Amino acid sequence: AQKITQTQPGMFVQEKEAVTLDCTYDTSDPSYGLFWYKQPSSGEMIFLIYQGSYDQQNATEGRYSLNFQKARKSANLVISASQLGDSAMYFCAMREGRYNFNKFYFGSGTKLNVKP
Amino acid sequence: EAQVTQNPRYLITVTGKKLTVTCSQNMNHEYMSWYRQDPGLGLRQIYYSMNVEVTDKGDVPEGYKVSRKEKRNFPLILESPSPNQTSLYFCASSLGWTGPTGELFFGEGSRLTVL
Repeated sequence: AQKITQTQPGMFVQEKEAVTLDCTYDTSDPSYGLFWYKQPSSGEMIFLIYQGSYDQQNATEGRYSLNFQKARKSANLVISASQLGDSAMYFCAMREGRYNFNKFYFGSGTKLNVKP
Repeated sequence: EAQVTQNPRYLITVTGKKLTVTCSQNMNHEYMSWYRQDPGLGLRQIYYSMNVEVTDKGDVPEGYKVSRKEKRNFPLILESPSPNQTSLYFCASSLGWTGPTGELFFGEGSRLTVL
């Protein structure tokens, strides 16, 4: 089974609007971390936000927030007030904390295009 | 400046010609790992290392070797490259290796083409 599933290969959003990128995960480990990375067309991987499985509140970092629904095993990234510079590939990732903490699992990514 | 440095950034080679992609980090991280990125598949882990002389296979280790003789360096070795190893490769490091915390810091990527 896929550890990380991103079901949106591509998305469009109008500049200044909010957008949600979906991510579901699969683990039986009670301790895990969820990460989102941005990959612009230049290719580098940029860390955006982290959510721990025991965190009570949803993580936020500036315009990025993570909608963490533990029972549904989802960790959607919300970008508020989209900017043209947000056009990029976005990857959801998970690191398990107890059994396989040396492994990072990545989804297949969502390509976001922000329209002016 | 804290960084992960990979070399070369771009390489075109031929089938069977051994090559090494170097990776070095200056953050004193214990954990280092290699990934390949292919369209539609995201990033897949090739090998990882918890510390010097401690390495283990990720999800797609076939055709690759690694070594960790120094904490800062983690080279990826392709002994006999084949066209199916044409890909974008990333080296990454992380401070935490116990528990789920510790995001990965990535190098800039190495685009490899095997003819």
